[in-house]
Amino acid sequence: NAGVTQTPKFQVLKTGQSMTLQCAQDMNHNSMYWYRQDPGMGLRLIYYSASEGTTDKGEVPNGYNVSRLNKREFSLRLESAAPSQTSVYFCASSGPYYEQYFGPGTRLTVT
Amino acid sequence: GENVEQHPSTLSVQEGDSAVIKCTYSDSASNYFPWYKQELGKRPQLIIDIRSNVGEKKDQRIAVTLNKTAKHFSLHITETQPEDSAVYFCAASWTGTASKLTFGTGTRLQVTL
Repeated sequence: NAGVTQTPKFQVLKTGQSMTLQCAQDMNHNSMYWYRQDPGMGLRLIYYSASEGTTDKGEVPNGYNVSRLNKREFSLRLESAAPSQTSVYFCASSGPYYEQYFGPGTRLTVT
Repeated sequence: GENVEQHPSTLSVQEGDSAVIKCTYSDSASNYFPWYKQELGKRPQLIIDIRSNVGEKKDQRIAVTLNKTAKHFSLHITETQPEDSAVYFCAASWTGTASKLTFGTGTRLQVTL
């Protein structure tokens, strides 16, 4: 099993450009999550999906949209990137006992 | 919402000594408390967790304690080794339909020879 995978690993965008971060899991987990990690601030929840067909806002949802494409895939979209969105983005999934497993991350720079 | 505070922000110990990291949380409804280890440039990895119906849990050199009354929980690492050097994060959540983790700001642990 690959666990949680993310693409791309690195991305540089100019202010105003858009992009979609992809996440997939092969653990048959119901719940999936997107976090951002900034220096000195830990990880903060952007959006989550408790189950296929549902999505909800987390702590810092502004400037982002998500799509739960199916049980395996959960994507994060930046419609108009801003320098404040420069961060490392982690996707995670959790199973019936709530343990969350993280993907390898996407390092995004917005210039 | 939930707020998690973590201390210390940095911790340096000699190999073989013990390390303790402490966290407090604000929401009395939180019932799930995991700890993650993150090495430089890597993903956070779950190392141990505890639920609110348990006061202590051990896994080899790692233990976690929970005091629900005081709303704090701690990570204890005994007989530290150089490979324990990393950033450690505590987190808290209420496990409803999903587990929305609120993380502490991390502790950088350095184990010196």
